[in-house]
Amino acid sequence: DAGVTQSPTHLIKTRGQHVTLRCSPISGHKSVSWYQQVLGQGPQFIFQYYEKEERGRGNFPDRFSARQFPNYSSELNVNALLLGDSALYLCASSLPQGSYGYTFGSGTRLTVV
Amino acid sequence: GQNIDQPTEMTATEGAIVQINCTYQTSGFNGLFWYQQHAGEAPTFLSYNVLDGLEEKGRFSSFLSRSKGYSYLLLKELQMKDSASYLCAVLNDYKLSFGAGTTVTVRA
Repeated sequence: DAGVTQSPTHLIKTRGQHVTLRCSPISGHKSVSWYQQVLGQGPQFIFQYYEKEERGRGNFPDRFSARQFPNYSSELNVNALLLGDSALYLCASSLPQGSYGYTFGSGTRLTVV
Repeated sequence: GQNIDQPTEMTATEGAIVQINCTYQTSGFNGLFWYQQHAGEAPTFLSYNVLDGLEEKGRFSSFLSRSKGYSYLLLKELQMKDSASYLCAVLNDYKLSFGAGTTVTVRA
């Protein structure tokens, strides 16, 4: 049974560019969350989607957006990239209540130069 | 706001025991998770506590005191492969708030 899959694994972009990151949740999980992890820090909450609706948003600028598709996969989009957006972007899937645990994907390492 | 504190680094010898403390002040609480994260990899689930007390799972145990806003992760019979970052995370409704992580180094 496949876990949470993310693509691409690594990405290098130039300041000002746009990036799209993708995530497929565990089969049966309808909730997808996105987290940003800067080196040396814990993951920071960006978004959660459940049943294709945004359920919550963290303290991130409007340059960050996301959506969830009918098959529960999700995309995270970041516009006008800044050097400070360089981070590991993690996707986690869960059952709606969350208390059964969040399973994280291996992440996308984004480097902005 | 959310405030979750854990030590930055800990070092221990192979075969020993290490206790990682986590204190939290959050606007809501639906449980506390511990995750293990090796460098450059995804966090992997270790434990979940929602009620006060000790949860034991093999070499790892986790304790929670909700009234004190305190948890600890106990790692017994340390192995070299346990060298990693350990993340304390509080669940508030649907959102996980993480501490900065504790880097544990196991020495031979």
